[in-house]
Amino acid sequence: DGGITQSPKYLFRKEGQNVTLSCEQNLNHDAMYWYRQDPGQGLRLIYYSQIVNDFQKGDIAEGYSVSREKKESFPLTVTSAQKNPTAFYLCASSPRGESTDTQYFGPGTRLTVL
Amino acid sequence: AQSVTQPDIHITVSEGASLELRCNYSYGATPYLFWYVQSPGQGLQLLLKYFSGDTLVQGIKGFEAEFKRSQSSFNLRKPSVHWSDAAEYFCAGEVGDYKLSFGAGTTVTVRA
Repeated sequence: DGGITQSPKYLFRKEGQNVTLSCEQNLNHDAMYWYRQDPGQGLRLIYYSQIVNDFQKGDIAEGYSVSREKKESFPLTVTSAQKNPTAFYLCASSPRGESTDTQYFGPGTRLTVL
Repeated sequence: AQSVTQPDIHITVSEGASLELRCNYSYGATPYLFWYVQSPGQGLQLLLKYFSGDTLVQGIKGFEAEFKRSQSSFNLRKPSVHWSDAAEYFCAGEVGDYKLSFGAGTTVTVRA
């Protein structure tokens, strides 16, 4: 089955620690995205990548970093500089990264910082 | 600022009744518009999308949406809801900058 996998589903970390969230897709999509979801705020774009070895900041990139070394993988690192990292994180991909593309979402990772 | 607004945070509807979810947009140009649905603890699934042409768009699961330029709206409708329609619904817009802007979402509760 083609799709997007995110692991783990739940993640707990101590304050001050960096943590990396995994996102893998086997849809052969060019573009990938990371969103953060907080109650009552919808989804906010953290980073996006339209092609391997290239990525762009979204609206709330501070305290996060990404890499896109392979087409199918787009890991997100939440650094200790992120002031309020507890949230639900969603990864998505789209075929070409064009405006009319449908974005396909993974099941999400819920990060809790203790 | 370019944005999408969903005025209703929470809507409760009886099973079998009709449903309408509101979405307003604020863009300089006509945006590409999308409706997504999210079941609890899950990712989002596309219901339908509008780019141009016919202003009434049909989607999956019996949903439709109507684009009204004069009202800057893209409201989602379903004639008869099922208990499985209980979820959170997001309207989103994009104006060619490759970045979707999401509304805050509307939670739909379906009562028996």
